[in-house]
Amino acid sequence: AAGVIQSPRHLIKEKRETATLKCYPISRHDTVYWYQQGPGQDPQFLISFYEKMQSDKGSIPDRFSAQQFSDYHSELNMSSLELGDSALYFCASSLGGGAAGYTFGSGTRLTVV
Amino acid sequence: GENVEQHPSTLSVQEGDSAVIKCTYSDSASNYFPWYKQELGKRPQLIIDIRSNVGEKKDQRIAVTLNKTAKHFSLHITETQPEDSAVYFCAASSRNTGKLIFGQGTTLQVKP
Repeated sequence: AAGVIQSPRHLIKEKRETATLKCYPISRHDTVYWYQQGPGQDPQFLISFYEKMQSDKGSIPDRFSAQQFSDYHSELNMSSLELGDSALYFCASSLGGGAAGYTFGSGTRLTVV
Repeated sequence: GENVEQHPSTLSVQEGDSAVIKCTYSDSASNYFPWYKQELGKRPQLIIDIRSNVGEKKDQRIAVTLNKTAKHFSLHITETQPEDSAVYFCAASSRNTGKLIFGQGTTLQVKP
């Protein structure tokens, strides 16, 4: 069975540009979580969606926004990119808004130059 | 606020020895405690988890214990092997939201 799919796998952007990261959850999963992991750091929770509604918000900069669509995929939009935004961005999905079936995607490595 | 503290930050053991990593959490509403193994540039990989209604869980060489009163949980790896070398993260999840709060990570090195 297909896991959580993230695209693109790698992305290089210049400062002040915008980036869009996509996440396709496991089939029938209705909850999506976004995490940011800087070099040598633990994953930091950014934002989550349950049934297409924002369910929780963490340390997400105002320059970032996200949404979950009718097919449950989610997109993380990042504007005015800064060097410090360079990180691995992981998406995870689960069922029912909780930890059931929690699965991480392979991540998107964003490099801002 | 919600916080998970993890110790030690680095751990070096000889092959065949045991390794223990400890975490404490602050949110009393946390009810799910997974442990992840992460290799460089890869996704966190779930190795074992425990829920708040259980005190101990074991899966072959890996075990996790939970003390709800003290708000701490531990990972035990026995008979370590060089392929166990990686960064290990503990995490805690709230009953209501499912988001994970991670510990700072432990770099485990198993020397052959």
